[in-house]
Amino acid sequence: GAVVSQHPSRVICKSGTSVKIECRSLDFQATTMFWYRQFPKKSLMLMATSNEGSKATYEQGVEKDKFLINHASLTLSTLTVTSAHPEDSSFYICSARGQPTEAFFGQGTRLTVV
Amino acid sequence: SQELEQSPQSLIVQEGKNLTINCTSSKTLYGLYWYKQKYGEGLIFLMMLQKGGEEKSHEKITAKLDEKKQQSSLHITASQPSHAGIYLCGADSGGTSYGKLTFGQGTILTVHP
Repeated sequence: GAVVSQHPSRVICKSGTSVKIECRSLDFQATTMFWYRQFPKKSLMLMATSNEGSKATYEQGVEKDKFLINHASLTLSTLTVTSAHPEDSSFYICSARGQPTEAFFGQGTRLTVV
Repeated sequence: SQELEQSPQSLIVQEGKNLTINCTSSKTLYGLYWYKQKYGEGLIFLMMLQKGGEEKSHEKITAKLDEKKQQSSLHITASQPSHAGIYLCGADSGGTSYGKLTFGQGTILTVHP
């Protein structure tokens, strides 16, 4: 199957700083990637749909200015958590849309804001 | 929007027992994924079902999609401690939004040796 690499797997940052998470499709081109967030003991919730070369589409309730998404190439999408606060601590995971109809997930990133 | 209801929310079984997890959709499913997750880790892809009545098996895990494509079940035969984890079903939105998944709330499986 196709491989999606997410980096970093874990990150600890200070409150007020920004953190960038990368999602790469290693062996296929992904015109669309998805970003999810998982709260402790909860399921995955879609945050946004990232489209190569255009603006991301955010789900209702997700702050666009806090969670900046850039999809600069067919193999890379980035999620930047700006001015992070402890309540942003969570597990973030991306997926990339492959062919013909399957979603491939990255390994996820555990963000801890202290 | 599509909603997925998973049951049970948690399950504790003795090693060697069979078990079933259900996933019911509020809408007809375009594609249904089953994943396993250790909390805080990535998703392990188990199976994907698309056709009504479809059934797939891998090792001791069998997944089925009903004819109406609104309910799926995941069955584990002779469970082992290695099967423990969180099981998630995810529904593909299909069409121009294919690959975009809505997840059930998950089922936490504990297998006692």
